[in-house]
Amino acid sequence: DSGVTQTPKHLITATGQRVTLRCSPRSGDLSVYWYQQSLDQGLQFLIQYYNGEERAKGNILERFSAQQFPDLHSELNLSSLELGDSALYFCASSVARDRGGGYTFGSGTRLTVV
Amino acid sequence: AQTVTQSQPEMSVQEAETVTLSCTYDTSESNYYLFWYKQPPSRQMILVIRQEAYKQQNATENRFSVNFQKAAKSFSLKISDSQLGDTAMYFCAFMKHETGANSKLTFGKGITLSVRP
Repeated sequence: DSGVTQTPKHLITATGQRVTLRCSPRSGDLSVYWYQQSLDQGLQFLIQYYNGEERAKGNILERFSAQQFPDLHSELNLSSLELGDSALYFCASSVARDRGGGYTFGSGTRLTVV
Repeated sequence: AQTVTQSQPEMSVQEAETVTLSCTYDTSESNYYLFWYKQPPSRQMILVIRQEAYKQQNATENRFSVNFQKAAKSFSLKISDSQLGDTAMYFCAFMKHETGANSKLTFGKGITLSVRP
Protein backbone atom coordinates (compact mmCIF):
# COMPACT_ATOMS: atom_id res chain seq x y z
CA ASP A 1 0.00 0.00 0.00
CA SER A 2 1.61 3.25 -1.19
CA GLY A 3 -0.55 5.45 1.04
CA VAL A 4 -2.31 7.06 -1.93
CA THR A 5 -5.82 5.67 -2.32
CA GLN A 6 -7.75 5.76 -5.57
CA THR A 7 -11.32 4.67 -6.05
CA PRO A 8 -12.80 2.96 -7.88
CA LYS A 9 -10.16 0.58 -9.22
CA HIS A 10 -12.19 -0.25 -12.30
CA LEU A 11 -14.97 1.61 -14.06
CA ILE A 12 -16.92 0.65 -17.16
CA THR A 13 -19.29 3.19 -18.58
CA ALA A 14 -20.96 4.17 -21.84
CA THR A 15 -20.08 6.96 -24.22
CA GLY A 16 -21.61 10.28 -23.29
CA GLN A 17 -21.68 9.51 -19.59
CA ARG A 18 -19.98 11.32 -16.70
CA VAL A 19 -17.78 9.73 -14.04
CA THR A 20 -15.89 10.89 -10.97
CA LEU A 21 -12.56 9.45 -9.91
CA ARG A 22 -11.44 9.96 -6.34
CA CYS A 23 -8.01 10.24 -4.79
CA SER A 24 -6.90 10.46 -1.17
CA PRO A 25 -3.27 11.58 -0.91
CA ARG A 26 -0.67 10.19 1.45
CA SER A 27 -0.96 11.67 4.93
CA GLY A 28 0.84 15.01 5.08
CA ASP A 29 1.13 15.48 1.31
CA LEU A 30 -0.27 18.78 0.06
CA SER A 31 0.15 18.27 -3.69
CA VAL A 32 -2.04 16.04 -5.80
CA TYR A 33 -1.34 15.27 -9.45
CA TRP A 34 -3.51 13.53 -12.03
CA TYR A 35 -2.04 11.57 -14.93
CA GLN A 36 -3.61 9.68 -17.80
CA GLN A 37 -1.87 6.59 -19.16
CA SER A 38 -2.99 5.29 -22.54
CA LEU A 39 -1.26 2.98 -24.98
CA ASP A 40 -0.73 5.58 -27.67
CA GLN A 41 -0.04 8.68 -25.52
CA GLY A 42 1.95 7.22 -22.66
CA LEU A 43 1.80 9.01 -19.31
CA GLN A 44 0.30 12.47 -19.74
CA PHE A 45 0.10 15.07 -17.00
CA LEU A 46 -3.41 16.42 -16.56
CA ILE A 47 -3.49 18.75 -13.59
CA GLN A 48 -1.89 19.56 -10.23
CA TYR A 49 -3.44 20.89 -7.05
CA TYR A 50 -1.52 22.24 -4.12
CA ASN A 51 -3.26 22.76 -0.79
CA GLY A 52 -6.63 23.25 -2.44
CA GLU A 53 -5.53 25.50 -5.27
CA GLU A 54 -4.89 24.63 -8.90
CA ARG A 55 -1.15 24.96 -9.47
CA ALA A 56 -0.49 23.62 -12.94
CA LYS A 57 -2.51 22.40 -15.86
CA GLY A 58 -1.36 20.05 -18.58
CA ASN A 59 -3.10 18.37 -21.46
CA ILE A 60 -6.48 18.26 -19.79
CA LEU A 61 -9.53 18.35 -22.02
CA GLU A 62 -12.28 20.88 -21.41
CA ARG A 63 -14.62 17.94 -20.73
CA PHE A 64 -12.45 17.08 -17.74
CA SER A 65 -12.28 19.00 -14.49
CA ALA A 66 -10.79 18.46 -11.07
CA GLN A 67 -10.75 19.90 -7.60
CA GLN A 68 -9.04 19.43 -4.27
CA PHE A 69 -11.13 19.65 -1.13
CA PRO A 70 -10.22 21.09 2.31
CA ASP A 71 -9.36 17.60 3.57
CA LEU A 72 -6.92 17.42 0.60
CA HIS A 73 -8.64 14.60 -1.23
CA SER A 74 -9.14 15.24 -4.92
CA GLU A 75 -11.70 14.33 -7.54
CA LEU A 76 -11.30 14.14 -11.30
CA ASN A 77 -14.54 14.55 -13.22
CA LEU A 78 -14.76 13.25 -16.76
CA SER A 79 -17.85 14.14 -18.78
CA SER A 80 -19.25 13.46 -22.26
CA LEU A 81 -17.04 10.41 -22.34
CA GLU A 82 -15.65 9.14 -25.61
CA LEU A 83 -14.10 5.81 -26.51
CA GLY A 84 -10.69 7.49 -26.59
CA ASP A 85 -10.96 8.40 -22.93
CA SER A 86 -10.45 4.77 -22.02
CA ALA A 87 -7.21 4.73 -20.05
CA LEU A 88 -5.57 4.21 -16.71
CA TYR A 89 -5.88 7.33 -14.56
CA PHE A 90 -3.29 7.81 -11.87
CA CYS A 91 -3.30 10.09 -8.92
CA ALA A 92 -0.04 10.90 -7.15
CA SER A 93 0.88 13.01 -4.17
CA SER A 94 3.99 14.65 -2.77
CA VAL A 95 4.98 16.72 0.21
CA ALA A 96 5.63 20.40 -0.14
CA ARG A 97 9.19 21.61 -0.56
CA ASP A 98 10.49 18.09 -1.01
CA ARG A 99 13.10 19.38 -3.45
CA GLY A 100 12.27 16.86 -6.10
CA GLY A 101 11.70 13.87 -3.85
CA GLY A 102 9.42 12.25 -6.35
CA TYR A 103 5.80 11.34 -6.10
CA THR A 104 3.92 8.49 -4.52
CA PHE A 105 1.41 7.04 -6.96
CA GLY A 106 -1.89 5.40 -6.28
CA SER A 107 -2.76 2.11 -7.95
CA GLY A 108 -4.85 3.84 -10.59
CA THR A 109 -8.41 3.72 -11.90
CA ARG A 110 -8.91 1.70 -15.06
CA LEU A 111 -11.63 3.45 -17.08
CA THR A 112 -13.24 1.62 -19.97
CA VAL A 113 -15.69 3.53 -22.15
CA VAL A 114 -17.91 1.30 -24.30
CA ALA B 1 9.18 22.66 -22.58
CA GLN B 2 10.99 19.55 -21.53
CA THR B 3 11.11 16.31 -23.48
CA VAL B 4 12.23 12.87 -22.40
CA THR B 5 13.22 10.25 -24.95
CA GLN B 6 13.52 6.54 -24.43
CA SER B 7 14.43 5.17 -27.81
CA GLN B 8 14.50 1.46 -26.94
CA PRO B 9 10.97 0.06 -26.73
CA GLU B 10 12.00 -3.35 -25.42
CA MET B 11 14.96 -5.12 -23.88
CA SER B 12 15.61 -8.58 -22.58
CA VAL B 13 18.23 -9.80 -20.13
CA GLN B 14 19.22 -13.09 -18.58
CA GLU B 15 18.67 -13.47 -14.87
CA ALA B 16 21.74 -12.41 -12.84
CA GLU B 17 23.12 -10.38 -15.74
CA THR B 18 23.47 -6.60 -15.96
CA VAL B 19 21.36 -4.41 -18.21
CA THR B 20 21.42 -0.70 -19.01
CA LEU B 21 18.34 1.29 -20.01
CA SER B 22 18.91 4.51 -21.93
CA CYS B 23 17.25 7.89 -21.56
CA THR B 24 17.95 11.32 -22.97
CA TYR B 25 16.20 14.56 -22.20
CA ASP B 26 16.07 18.09 -23.46
CA THR B 27 15.65 21.13 -21.28
CA SER B 28 16.82 24.69 -20.89
CA GLU B 29 16.51 24.47 -17.11
CA SER B 30 19.66 24.46 -15.02
CA ASN B 31 18.16 23.02 -11.85
CA TYR B 32 16.08 19.88 -12.13
CA TYR B 33 15.62 16.28 -11.04
CA LEU B 34 15.58 13.01 -12.92
CA PHE B 35 13.84 9.79 -12.00
CA TRP B 36 13.37 6.21 -13.04
CA TYR B 37 10.01 4.66 -12.28
CA LYS B 38 9.11 0.99 -12.58
CA GLN B 39 5.68 -0.25 -13.59
CA PRO B 40 5.30 -4.01 -13.11
CA PRO B 41 2.33 -5.97 -14.48
CA SER B 42 0.33 -4.86 -11.44
CA ARG B 43 0.43 -1.35 -13.06
CA GLN B 44 1.60 0.28 -9.83
CA MET B 45 4.14 3.08 -10.44
CA ILE B 46 7.15 2.58 -8.20
CA LEU B 47 10.03 5.02 -7.76
CA VAL B 48 13.32 3.26 -8.44
CA ILE B 49 15.91 6.00 -8.18
CA ARG B 50 16.29 9.78 -8.37
CA GLN B 51 19.09 12.13 -9.29
CA GLU B 52 19.52 15.81 -8.50
CA ALA B 53 21.03 17.65 -11.45
CA TYR B 54 23.31 19.78 -9.31
CA LYS B 55 24.95 16.68 -7.84
CA GLN B 56 27.78 15.24 -9.87
CA GLN B 57 27.79 11.94 -8.03
CA ASN B 58 25.66 9.27 -9.65
CA ALA B 59 22.80 7.96 -7.52
CA THR B 60 22.79 4.34 -6.36
CA GLU B 61 20.05 2.26 -4.74
CA ASN B 62 21.15 -1.31 -4.06
CA ARG B 63 21.28 -3.06 -7.47
CA PHE B 64 20.18 0.06 -9.33
CA SER B 65 22.52 2.85 -10.36
CA VAL B 66 22.46 5.66 -12.85
CA ASN B 67 24.96 7.19 -15.24
CA PHE B 68 24.12 10.88 -15.31
CA GLN B 69 25.84 12.88 -18.01
CA LYS B 70 24.55 16.43 -17.62
CA ALA B 71 26.34 17.95 -20.60
CA ALA B 72 25.08 15.18 -22.87
CA LYS B 73 21.62 15.27 -21.22
CA SER B 74 21.76 11.56 -20.72
CA PHE B 75 20.42 9.56 -17.78
CA SER B 76 20.76 5.79 -18.07
CA LEU B 77 19.74 3.16 -15.53
CA LYS B 78 21.91 0.16 -14.80
CA ILE B 79 20.37 -2.88 -13.17
CA SER B 80 22.91 -5.32 -11.78
CA ASP B 81 22.23 -8.97 -10.92
CA SER B 82 18.86 -8.84 -12.70
CA GLN B 83 16.03 -10.68 -10.99
CA LEU B 84 12.76 -12.04 -12.35
CA GLY B 85 10.94 -9.42 -10.29
CA ASP B 86 12.65 -6.69 -12.30
CA THR B 87 10.44 -7.58 -15.27
CA ALA B 88 8.44 -4.40 -15.81
CA MET B 89 8.06 -1.27 -17.85
CA TYR B 90 10.59 1.40 -16.88
CA PHE B 91 9.95 5.09 -17.31
CA CYS B 92 12.48 7.87 -17.26
CA ALA B 93 11.07 11.16 -15.95
CA PHE B 94 12.09 14.80 -15.58
CA MET B 95 11.03 17.39 -13.03
CA LYS B 96 12.17 20.98 -13.09
CA HIS B 97 12.93 22.64 -9.80
CA GLU B 98 10.26 24.97 -8.43
CA THR B 99 9.94 26.66 -5.09
CA GLY B 100 7.03 25.82 -2.86
CA ALA B 101 5.89 22.54 -4.35
CA ASN B 102 7.18 19.82 -6.61
CA SER B 103 6.32 20.47 -10.23
CA LYS B 104 4.92 18.02 -12.75
CA LEU B 105 6.80 14.97 -13.99
CA THR B 106 7.44 14.64 -17.71
CA PHE B 107 7.75 11.00 -18.68
CA GLY B 108 9.39 9.19 -21.53
CA LYS B 109 7.44 6.55 -23.47
CA GLY B 110 8.91 3.76 -21.39
CA ILE B 111 10.83 0.60 -22.09
CA THR B 112 9.62 -2.93 -21.48
CA LEU B 113 12.26 -5.02 -19.73
CA SER B 114 11.95 -8.79 -19.64
CA VAL B 115 14.19 -10.86 -17.39
CA ARG B 116 14.64 -14.41 -18.64
CA PRO B 117 15.12 -17.28 -16.17
